[in-house]
Amino acid sequence: DAMVIQNPRYQVTQFGKPVTLSCSQTLNHNVMYWYQQKSSQAPKLLFHYYDKDFNNEADTPDNFQSRRPNTSFCFLDIRSPGLGDTAMYLCATSRQGDRLNTEAFFGQGTRLTVV
Amino acid sequence: AQTVTQSQPEMSVQEAETVTLSCTYDTSESDYYLFWYKQPPSRQMILVIRQEAYKQQNATENRFSVNFQKAAKSFSLKISDSQLGDAAMYFCAYRWESGNQFYFGTGTSLTVIP
Repeated sequence: DAMVIQNPRYQVTQFGKPVTLSCSQTLNHNVMYWYQQKSSQAPKLLFHYYDKDFNNEADTPDNFQSRRPNTSFCFLDIRSPGLGDTAMYLCATSRQGDRLNTEAFFGQGTRLTVV
Repeated sequence: AQTVTQSQPEMSVQEAETVTLSCTYDTSESDYYLFWYKQPPSRQMILVIRQEAYKQQNATENRFSVNFQKAAKSFSLKISDSQLGDAAMYFCAYRWESGNQFYFGTGTSLTVIP
């Protein structure tokens, strides 16, 4: 039962060529997150949506954008990828306001390589 | 600002033995949640165990248990009867009760020795 699904699993893109990563969820969670995880490092939160409200982390580069057209889907757009954007990108969901289910659920990640 | 610190980048344990992974955090909030996540190589991050700060009793999930010391802001994970499948990166995470963000520590890489 895949609950948070990321596509594609692997993506290779050229330096400067826009790329979009997608995430869908079947949990009906009201919060969706995008994390960047570089090799052997902790996941770094880029931004999250609480319903339609977009929350950007202060240190997220402008190069990274996101869209959430409906509850189930969320996209990460990288407008002009640089070599330093090579990383695993993790999508996660959670339910705000539910004290019985407080954890985040993660997708399998998209491994992005910028060449 | 909330910070989560894992001071053990790497740990190893013999199969069937017990290992404890350390985590400390810094917060000024009184209501929050703490989590341990497991991330096997090239695989999905999955929840191991969670603890609500308002609960005094330490959480337990089968072979996994925590030692939650609220005053000391410490949240360690004990893995009993370690199995080869426990080998993974383990991340400690924090979430404020009224917030949405999850803050992660830098992780501990656990090796299980047969």
